[in-house]
Amino acid sequence: KAGVTQTPRYLIKTRGQQVTLSCSPISGHRSVSWYQQTPGQGLQFLFEYFSETQRNKGNFPGRFSGRQFSNSRSEMNVSTLELGDSALYLCASSRDGSQPQHFGDGTRLSIL
Amino acid sequence: QQQVKQSPQSLIVQKGGISIINCAYENTAFDYFPWYQQFPGKGPALLIAIRPDVSEKKEGRFTISFNKSAKQFSLHIMDSQPGDSATYFCAASPGAGGTSYGKLTFGQGTILTVHP
Repeated sequence: KAGVTQTPRYLIKTRGQQVTLSCSPISGHRSVSWYQQTPGQGLQFLFEYFSETQRNKGNFPGRFSGRQFSNSRSEMNVSTLELGDSALYLCASSRDGSQPQHFGDGTRLSIL
Repeated sequence: QQQVKQSPQSLIVQKGGISIINCAYENTAFDYFPWYQQFPGKGPALLIAIRPDVSEKKEGRFTISFNKSAKQFSLHIMDSQPGDSATYFCAASPGAGGTSYGKLTFGQGTILTVHP
């Protein structure tokens, strides 16, 4: 069974640009969560989607948004990029939003 | 109240020794406590998890000890191996529904180094 797949693995952007990250969950999993990982703040929850609906949201500004498609694949968008948005963005999936969650290997985003 | 505090930040153990990492939480609504292992360049991988109805869970060389009254839980790695060298995260999640959907609250991580 394939795991959680995130693309691309690496991205380099400049301040002010926007970026879209993609996540394909484990087959049969309908819940997708996104996390930001930085050395200073650790792993922080961004939001969770289930059946194309955002059900839960962390404490991040509106520049961070997401969506989910009917096949459960999810995308995350960050607009007006700031230097502080440099991080590893992780996607996790579960059957229905309950635990356990399984993580992908992340997208490393660097802002110049 | 949502924090999970993890210690130590780093740990050095000799091969064959016992590695112990501790976590403490405040939110009594938490009812699921997993440990994740992360290698450089990889995402966190679920190692072992426990719910508050048991005080200990063992899977191979990995054991979670849980103290509900103290709101603390710990990971013990027996017979530690160089291949166990990684960053370990504890986490917690509240019961099903509402603000718990898909949300884990993580500790700050422990960098474990096992010397051969």
